[in-house]
Amino acid sequence: KAGVTQTPRYLIKTRGQQVTLSCSPISGHRSVSWYQQTPGQGLQFLFEYFSETQRNKGNFPGRFSGRQFSNSRSEMNVSTLELGDSALYLCASSLLEEQYFGPGTRLTVT
Amino acid sequence: KQEVTQIPAALSVPEGENLVLNCSFTDSAIYNLQWFRQDPGKGLTSLLLIQSSQREQTSGRLNASLDKSSGRSTLYIAASQPGDSATYLCAVRPGGAGSYQLTFGKGTKLSVIP
Repeated sequence: KAGVTQTPRYLIKTRGQQVTLSCSPISGHRSVSWYQQTPGQGLQFLFEYFSETQRNKGNFPGRFSGRQFSNSRSEMNVSTLELGDSALYLCASSLLEEQYFGPGTRLTVT
Repeated sequence: KQEVTQIPAALSVPEGENLVLNCSFTDSAIYNLQWFRQDPGKGLTSLLLIQSSQREQTSGRLNASLDKSSGRSTLYIAASQPGDSATYLCAVRPGGAGSYQLTFGKGTKLSVIP
């Protein structure tokens, strides 16, 4: 069974641009969560989707948004990028109890 | 607000030693606790998951315990190997219905010296 996949794996953007990251969960998983990981703050929860509905949202500005499609694939979007948005963005999918993480997208904002 | 703390932040041990990593959390109303491993620049690999009703889980050389009332979990690694070198993260999922949101500690960076 294929694991969680994230595309692209690496991105370099400049301040002010916007970016869209994609996450394909494990087949059959309906829940997708997104996390931001930085050296200073560690792993912080962004949002969670279940059956195309946002179920939970972390404490991030409105520039961070997401959505989930009917096939459970999810995208997150960051608009008006700032230098502080440079991070590893991880998504996780769940069916029952355990969460499975993808390899992440490394975003660098210059 | 749930807070998760992991001590120590870094640990260096010689190969073959048994070791214990600690995790504490402030709100005991958890649904489960999960231990992950992260290699540099990579995603998270799930090691063990303990439900709130369980006391411990074992997988190979790994044993995780949970004391929900005191807000503590430990990850025991037996006979450490250089391949165990990685950052170990614990995460708690809140009690109640629905959410899969995890709160993470900042991790313990483990180095096993050959």
